[in-house]
Amino acid sequence: DGGITQSPKYLFRKEGQNVTLSCEQNLNHDAMYWYRQDPGQGLRLIYYSQIVNDFQKGDIAEGYSVSREKKESFPLTVTSAQKNPTAFYLCASSFIPGQGAPNYGYTFGSGTRLTVV
Amino acid sequence: AQKVTQAQTEISVVEKEDVTLDCVYETRDTTYYLFWYKQPPSGELVFLIRRNSFDEQNEISGRYSWNFQKSTSSFNFTITASQVVDSAVYFCALTGTTSGTYKYIFGTGTRLKVLA
Repeated sequence: DGGITQSPKYLFRKEGQNVTLSCEQNLNHDAMYWYRQDPGQGLRLIYYSQIVNDFQKGDIAEGYSVSREKKESFPLTVTSAQKNPTAFYLCASSFIPGQGAPNYGYTFGSGTRLTVV
Repeated sequence: AQKVTQAQTEISVVEKEDVTLDCVYETRDTTYYLFWYKQPPSGELVFLIRRNSFDEQNEISGRYSWNFQKSTSSFNFTITASQVVDSAVYFCALTGTTSGTYKYIFGTGTRLKVLA
């Protein structure tokens, strides 16, 4: 079955560490996204990518980095520069509208809950 | 600028009651899409519906129905005869297609609690 997989489900980070969250999709989607969700808040966009080897900052990119070396993969690194990384991280993917692909919206992964210890 | 407002932070109803979740949006795009997603306690966002700006027909899917009104920039979601399994956070989202990107703007979500 096609889908989007995030791992790990839970992640613990020590102060000063970098950690990488994995996101893989087999939906042949061109675009991929990373969102951060804090308790009681909506989703805020961290980074997004519409094509391999290219990505753009979202609204809260500081302290995060991404790569898009393959169409299927969009890992997110939470660096030590991110001062408040404890949150729920959601990865999503989609087709890009206007390029002959259907616009069925985002498909989301099941999320990674990151906690600083 | 684009914006989605879900003014209801939390709603509690008793099972079998009907409940409406409000969503008001702002956009300058002439072509745009509106979405509703459900986020159960497991965390994953589950797609419920997509509506484009040229289709104002209301939609019904089982106990779910959606009322899209461009005149009031609203896209409200009604659950009829609510059930405990409907308890979740519900997000409304907007994306435009004329900006050259495909980013969603999410509302802050409405937490629905259905009590047995």
